[in-house]
Order: sequence, then structure tokens, then C-alpha cells
Amino acid sequence: RKEVEQDPGPFNVPEGATVAFNCTYSNSASQSFFWYRQDCRKEPKLLMSVYSSGNEDGRFTAQLNRASQYISLLIRDSKLSDSATYLCVVKQGGADGLTFGKGTHLIIQP
Amino acid sequence: GAVVSQHPSRVICKSGTSVKIECRSLDFQATTMFWYRQFPKQSLMLMATSNEGSKATYEQGVEKDKFLINHASLTLSTLTVTSAHPEDSSFYICSARARDSWYSNQPQHFGDGTRLSIL
Repeated sequence: RKEVEQDPGPFNVPEGATVAFNCTYSNSASQSFFWYRQDCRKEPKLLMSVYSSGNEDGRFTAQLNRASQYISLLIRDSKLSDSATYLCVVKQGGADGLTFGKGTHLIIQP
Repeated sequence: GAVVSQHPSRVICKSGTSVKIECRSLDFQATTMFWYRQFPKQSLMLMATSNEGSKATYEQGVEKDKFLINHASLTLSTLTVTSAHPEDSSFYICSARARDSWYSNQPQHFGDGTRLSIL
């Protein structure tokens, strides 16, 4: 079983719509969770951290369910510029590197 | 602006060549740097973790004699792909974790990546 699993998509969504992604992780000892965004042939960029209480940043809302070991990302009022690959990322804590999911490819259509 | 500089951004070379990639943290000290690799349509995979002044820790399946990592200072880590072959062609990305600074609000800061193509 992969450590971090995501639906690769692509998700084709009309501009202005709401879209949600889920991600599951296998290591129950995981401590920190993030959503990164990666544009084609570019480095990943931190979109937001994910907390158990849920957190919102503008049009983006992230949720963490530790009991079920899944993380979600909701994008409201999607823009063309939201087209990218969204990476679910988990950190085990300490000095470990990050564990990345394969990413979910989102295409916002005009 | 960028806080981690990675150089070169693109390398094309013949099979058997050794390639060195540099990763520098700008404006902050990075006690730990990470090297990742990403094949097309795959996730970023951690290759190794390097701490300044000590030997790198390699992930399972990554050959330490092939991927030489040097982390000689708090702002510079290098990855050398020795005797590169076509199967080593990939996107290599470094990241750095800040020690104590404003930059520690992010888990890691990524470089722009190096696209390596071995002919």
C-alpha cells in the first residue's frame, strides 16, 4: 500500500465551480500534513498546512481526519489559474523528509 | 523571491558523465537539506537527507556511491550523479529546512529543480 494515495485525475472543472480532493495516508504516526501545488515542470510550492480543526485560506479549505487518516482540500469559485497538480504531503516529524502523493491534476476550463 | 537556489536548471549530457547539482539556501542557514527525484507522472521521492558536517542518510534503494552528497556548509549542499546513464534522467529537486528564522514557518523551501537528461 502506498504511503500517500491520491486520485490522479485529471479533474476537468468549469471556472467558478467548487472542487474537492481527498488523500489518504498509511502511517498513523504522521504528524504534519500539507497541500502543495506543482505547476508543470516546476518545483512544488506550499499551498497550505492542514490542521485537525480544519483551516481556511481564502477560497481554499483543508481538513484533516486523523481517525480515518485522510486529508481533503476544497477549492471554491475556481479560477483558470488554479489549474495545476495538487500534492498531498505528509511529514513524520523529526528530521525526516516529506512524503508526497502522486498528485491530483486539476484543469479549470473557461 | 527565491529562498533556495538550485543550479543548473537543465543539464543534457552523454552517458557516463558525472553531473554535479548545487543547492544553496539564500538568507537563511539550512541545517538540513533534502534531495528529491521526480520521474514523469510520478510523485517526488526522497532520495537522501543531508545534515551539515555529517554524512547523508539515503533512502532505501538509493545508491550512495552513485549519488554523492556533500553538505559542507550551512548554505550549500551538492548532489553528484556519478557515471550517469539514461535511466538517471529525471527532475531533481533540493529543499532546505531553516534552523531558527522567519523561514521556519514552512516545512521546507524548495529549489527550482534540475532537469537532467542523459543521452
